Amino acid sequence: GAGVSQSPSNKVTEKGKDVELRCDPISGHTALYWYRQSLGQGLEFLIYFQGNSAPDKSGLPSDRFSAERTGGSVSTLTIQRTQQEDSAVYLCASSATGLASNTGELFFGEGSRLTVL
Amino acid sequence: AQSVTQLDSQVPVFEEAPVELRCNYSSSVSVYLFWYVQYPNQGLQLLLKYLSGSTLVKGINGFEAEFNKSQTSFHLRKPSVHISDTAEYFCAVSRRKEKLSFGAGTTVTVRA
Repeated sequence: GAGVSQSPSNKVTEKGKDVELRCDPISGHTALYWYRQSLGQGLEFLIYFQGNSAPDKSGLPSDRFSAERTGGSVSTLTIQRTQQEDSAVYLCASSATGLASNTGELFFGEGSRLTVL
Repeated sequence: AQSVTQLDSQVPVFEEAPVELRCNYSSSVSVYLFWYVQYPNQGLQLLLKYLSGSTLVKGINGFEAEFNKSQTSFHLRKPSVHISDTAEYFCAVSRRKEKLSFGAGTTVTVRA
């Protein structure tokens, strides 16, 4: 598509429920990132996928968080047993980077706003 | 991974006054440098980038930034701000083959 697409744009869930957030990167982009942005806070790195390499999961805050990227394209971020502190905007970004020419410029989606009641 | 420090968390400024947002990074080797802007209730968009070449980089909306290798800085400037420049600004750094690292952000509030 023309840009990075995220769904849902808004999600309200009850504490303890599982949620899935989806990201469709720009076609052909090999790198995909997930970030979390809490109210008034900066960008918190969660996970990074680069091509077929093992993902960098160093930013995932707990084992309730996981992400996968199928076929090198669409990515799903899953939060199990949601807690109120998980409420935030979850941003996805993609980049046209290969290991040989990584400039790092990211294109961001509009985000998925998660509210845990 | 790179370390990025944005020295000011909040910058209030009057309309038509100049503004400078400071950014320092940790690496002494070749890096790529970016400034992103997030307007209220919107996603992030690229303001400008430095990949190589001239150390003075011009971006959208009249912003510019200067890469200073010896001081490992990439400060963002605008000579005259508008109300519409009220936003959060993020400095980011990457190195070849490494993921992007963001600073904590600087909130700019422009007042009439």
